[in-house]
Amino acid sequence: EPEVTQTPSHQVTQMGQEVILRCVPISNHLYFYWYRQILGQKVEFLVSFYNNEISEKSEIFDDQFSVERPDGSNFTLKIRSTKLEDSAMYFCASSEALRQGKNIQYFGAGTRLSVL
Amino acid sequence: DAKTTQPPSMDCAEGRAANLPCNHSTISGNEYVYWYRQIHSQGPQYIIHGLKNNETNEMASLIITEDRKSSTLILPHATLRDTAVYYCIVRVANAGGTSYGKLTFGQGTILTVHP
Repeated sequence: EPEVTQTPSHQVTQMGQEVILRCVPISNHLYFYWYRQILGQKVEFLVSFYNNEISEKSEIFDDQFSVERPDGSNFTLKIRSTKLEDSAMYFCASSEALRQGKNIQYFGAGTRLSVL
Repeated sequence: DAKTTQPPSMDCAEGRAANLPCNHSTISGNEYVYWYRQIHSQGPQYIIHGLKNNETNEMASLIITEDRKSSTLILPHATLRDTAVYYCIVRVANAGGTSYGKLTFGQGTILTVHP
């Protein structure tokens, strides 16, 4: 069964460093998402991406965050200068389309980001 | 998207049906009900969704009341591996049936299946 793949599974970084979280969405999917979950809290939407541009973003997704689809298979989330409060699980998701029956979002296993 | 209310936790015996309720009293006519679950901080897993008719798939059944103000997710024969946080999410769709991107997760229901 096709799945969303995220690497690395755990990333440790120093405060102020840049990190790139990587995702390989399901191959025929066209819509891509990032969510995060701070330990013990809700899963929160960060950004959605379609046709090489951001279609929606939350207030969490400020100028420190960026997303990119550098090639036909990868989807990345970059945090320019990490803060302690960026420590969280980051989930990538993808869906085939937006119309009913094709808009189910499938999630990866997540990357745990620890900012020290 | 409409707000949902779920009990914070529920227990179920292994092999029995688990019935997880969700209230969405402000749901509007073009909003679908989705259920996801999250097993021990893994990525959320899609279970089922519906608009107004009851739905069934290999994982679960979804019963939506006639007024659509509440729904119940049914796991017919719960196993220990069904222990997870279950999220009921309401998501808008336009007249063409397109649902807009984001999923808005609440706190969900922690379902514990015990032997």
